[in-house]
Amino acid sequence: QITLKESGPTLVKPTQTLTLTCTFSGFSLSTSGVGVGWIRQPPGKALEWLALIYWDDDKRYSPSLKSRLTITKDTSKNQVVLTMTNMDPVDTATYYCAHVDTAMATGFDYWGQGTLVTVSS
Amino acid sequence: SYVLTQPPSVSVAPGQTARITCGGNNIGSKSVHWYQQKPGQAPVLVVYDDSDRPSGIPERFSGSNSGNTATLTISRVEAGDEADYYCQVWDSSSDWVFGGGTKLTVL
Repeated sequence: QITLKESGPTLVKPTQTLTLTCTFSGFSLSTSGVGVGWIRQPPGKALEWLALIYWDDDKRYSPSLKSRLTITKDTSKNQVVLTMTNMDPVDTATYYCAHVDTAMATGFDYWGQGTLVTVSS
Repeated sequence: SYVLTQPPSVSVAPGQTARITCGGNNIGSKSVHWYQQKPGQAPVLVVYDDSDRPSGIPERFSGSNSGNTATLTISRVEAGDEADYYCQVWDSSSDWVFGGGTKLTVL
């Protein structure tokens, strides 16, 4: 049974750096084809893909946010960490992490519950 | 960057068929995934790789993909199908891309 859960601050100030952790179980991020991605959703708006890290440590970023994002993994802890610098109120959103298996071509088949991050002074 | 275009809203009466489109340049050459999201909940994968269903998803949900349009079809629509639906693809220039979402209203 695959589960993912996001954790991190619920409130950050403008210009601060956001650090979110995705803790997962039921799969290994050292298995070929597997990846964990981050997706966000501002209130009332659409989903937006942010970043993804693969089993081989290949890292992919949204072109529009690439300069602000860093994604890392700790395979031994079953965790993926996303950092986003220079936070702005427009970054207020629910942030999700999700599992992908490129070998199965299923898209993001398992999602965390999401964590709401508010950016405000 | 690769862009996916969805209609903002689709309305259908219970028992009828809903069709939600997702437009993109030569999307027929890509693998399209569809997600259902109900208020306050995380998205749920309902169709993957154009037309396959994850286990537990009713057969009423189906997908197709050709040319510049992919379509999610929901047959015999129920009140519980009311939700936002998103299409998604992987593109070599943009990586993972989501459509803007479609709100399905069951009249």
